[in-house]
Amino acid sequence: EVQVVESGGGLVQPGGSLRLSCAASGFTVSNYWMHWVRQAPGKGLVWVALINGDGSNTNYADSVRGRFTISKDNAKNMMYLQMNSLRADDTAVYYCVGDFPWGQGTLVTVSS
Amino acid sequence: QSALTQPASVSGSPGQSITISCTGTSSDIGAYNYVSWCQQHPGKAPKLIIYDVTTRPSGVSNRFSGSKSVNTASLTISGLQSEDEADYYCCSYTTSNTVVFGGGTKVTVL
Repeated sequence: EVQVVESGGGLVQPGGSLRLSCAASGFTVSNYWMHWVRQAPGKGLVWVALINGDGSNTNYADSVRGRFTISKDNAKNMMYLQMNSLRADDTAVYYCVGDFPWGQGTLVTVSS
Repeated sequence: QSALTQPASVSGSPGQSITISCTGTSSDIGAYNYVSWCQQHPGKAPKLIIYDVTTRPSGVSNRFSGSKSVNTASLTISGLQSEDEADYYCCSYTTSNTVVFGGGTKVTVL
């Protein structure tokens, strides 16, 4: 079955860090461009970051550039999002997405 | 990068067809055939229903179809059913190597 499962979310204080993971099964991540997308409570979907198949091309939304880092481990069939200097407005459900079935997301809450 | 423009709401009766528009620019929708649509029911994760303008993932009903003309993409739902009541979002890859989403459209089945 083709699926992705996100993990790593949780409650973190402002200024803290988290690493989100996206575990893929049923397909090979090296063959796909992949993205992180987030959705704040009651709001719409917002693109966060992208990475191409071999990881040589990454880019970020202005709101997270310099604080977040997207990466892949093709050997483990995983994608990651390292989030540093977290702010309250980063609070959202984060989804691992691409041209494959999307996951259920992982909730990140930034609060003191 | 400005968001893509979608109508806030669209409604239709069961069995009818409705179309949701998604308007961008020559720097996003008009530049590539990389437009996707997703469906989100209240309290649920979004579900990909169209990618690359017209491609339906396996398992997605053929009542959903996508198209594009110049800088506007469209999602058509034919034979509208109560289960189609949800929010729908479009998104597009851009010439800036980013992705931009629309604000979402709430579909109501009358």
